[in-house]
Amino acid sequence: DAGVIQSPRHEVTEMGQEVTLRCKPISGHNSLFWYRQTMMRGLELLIYFNNNVPIDDSGMPEDRFSAKMPNASFSTLKIQPSEPRDSAVYFCASRKDFQPQHFGDGTRLSIL
Amino acid sequence: AQTVTQSQPEMSVQEAETVTLSCTYDTSENNYYLFWYKQPPSRQMILVIRQEAYKQQNATENRFSVNFQKAAKSFSLKISDSQLGDTAMYFCASSRDSGAGSYQLTFGKGTKLSVIP
Repeated sequence: DAGVIQSPRHEVTEMGQEVTLRCKPISGHNSLFWYRQTMMRGLELLIYFNNNVPIDDSGMPEDRFSAKMPNASFSTLKIQPSEPRDSAVYFCASRKDFQPQHFGDGTRLSIL
Repeated sequence: AQTVTQSQPEMSVQEAETVTLSCTYDTSENNYYLFWYKQPPSRQMILVIRQEAYKQQNATENRFSVNFQKAAKSFSLKISDSQLGDTAMYFCASSRDSGAGSYQLTFGKGTKLSVIP
C-alpha cells in the first residue's frame, strides 16, 4: 500500500518567494495533519483537517501560512511570502478514525 | 496546555543490551492514547508502539515494550536486545481530544538514541 506522499522532498528558495508543499494522504484516511519540525521547537502541529474540513489551525504561525484540502486525496500548505525562519522540515500525516497517524517522508524547506 | 516531557536529550546503549527511554505527560483527559514514534536519520516518522490509557496491561511489540504508570503520568519505552538499526530519535506523544469525535497529538522534544557496536 502506498503511504503518505509528500512533494517536493527538498525545496530551496529565496526569501519572499511563494512556497507550496503538497500531500497525498493514504486512501481511505479521513484526517490529515500538517506538522513543522525544527531543532528549537521540535514537532509542532500546524493544522488539522477532518473529512476535508479544517478543525484546528491554531498552530499556524502567521497569516503568511495557509492550508487547503480541496478533496480527500490532496492537501497543500502554502507560505507567502516565505522568510528564512520558515526553514524547517514539514511533515504531513494522515489517519483513519482513531487509528495511529501515518507520516510522510517530509519536505525539507530552506529559505535563503 | 497539554505537555509531554522527555528528560533525556541523548542516550547510548551497547548493542544487544537493554535501554529505557523516559516520558512524562500532563493531561486532563479521562481517556487518551500514548505513542512512541521513531525517527531514524532517513527522517521518516515510524510508529513504534501505542498504549490506550484505559488498558492497564502494558503494550508490547516484539523487542519494544512500555511501562505505563497512569497515576504518575509516566510512559517509558524499553528496548530489549538493542540493534544498530534502533539508532534514531524517539518521540513520545499523547493525544488530546479535539472534538468532533477525534483527537490530535502533542509530542515531546525527543531522545536521541545511539546504539554502539
